[in-house]
Amino acid sequence: GAGVSQSPRYKVAKRGQDVALRCDPISGHVSLFWYQQALGQGPEFLTYFQNEAQLDKSGLPSDRFFAERPEGSVSTLKIQRTQQEDSAVYLCASSYLTYEQYFGPGTRLTVT
Amino acid sequence: KNEVEQSPQNLTAQEGEFITINCSYSVGISALHWLQQHPGGGIVSLFMLSSGKKKHGRLIATINIQEKHSSLHITASHPRDSAVYICAVRGGGADGLTFGKGTHLIIQP
Repeated sequence: GAGVSQSPRYKVAKRGQDVALRCDPISGHVSLFWYQQALGQGPEFLTYFQNEAQLDKSGLPSDRFFAERPEGSVSTLKIQRTQQEDSAVYLCASSYLTYEQYFGPGTRLTVT
Repeated sequence: KNEVEQSPQNLTAQEGEFITINCSYSVGISALHWLQQHPGGGIVSLFMLSSGKKKHGRLIATINIQEKHSSLHITASHPRDSAVYICAVRGGGADGLTFGKGTHLIIQP
C-alpha cells in the first residue's frame, strides 16, 4: 500500500519568501506528526495532530511556522518569511493512534 | 523533557562483526523506537518496544525499563547495514518522539 508522501521533495526559497510543505499520510492514520531535522542532527518534534485537531504545537520554533490539517488527512506546514536557519529537512510521520510511526521521505528546504 | 543519549556516535566495523548500539533516556516512556536512516533517504522504523526483546532477521532490540536503557544489535553485519541508526522515545509528557542524535555506522567489506 502507499506510504506517507511529501511534496515537494526539494524546495529552494529566497530569504523572506513563504513556503508550504505538504504531507499525505497513510489512509486511516489518525495521528500526524511534523519534525525538523537540521543537517547532522536527529529530528526534532514540531507539532502533532489527532485527526483535524492540533493537539500539540510546542515544538514550532516561532510564530512564522503554522501547520494545519483541516479535513483530518492531508497536512500542510507553512513557513512565513523564511530565514536561513529554517534550512532543514522537514519530516512528516503518521500512525494509527499511538502505534508505530511511518515516516515520509522528507522535504529538504534550503533558504538562500 | 526527555533526554536521549546514544553511543557510540560513530562506529566503523568489518563485515561480519557483531554490532551493538546503545540508547539511554532520562524519563519514563510509553515506547522506544529504533529507526534507520540512509544518506539522503527517509527514515525507516525498525522496532517499537515497550518491554523485553524483539528480533527481526539479523536485528535484535532489547529494552530495560528499570534502567531506562535499550540496545540495538546487528549480527553478521554487512555493508548494506551502513546507515544512521536513531533511537527515539515517546512519553515523558511529550506527544511526539524525542530523538537521539543517531549513530553513524559504517560496515567495511
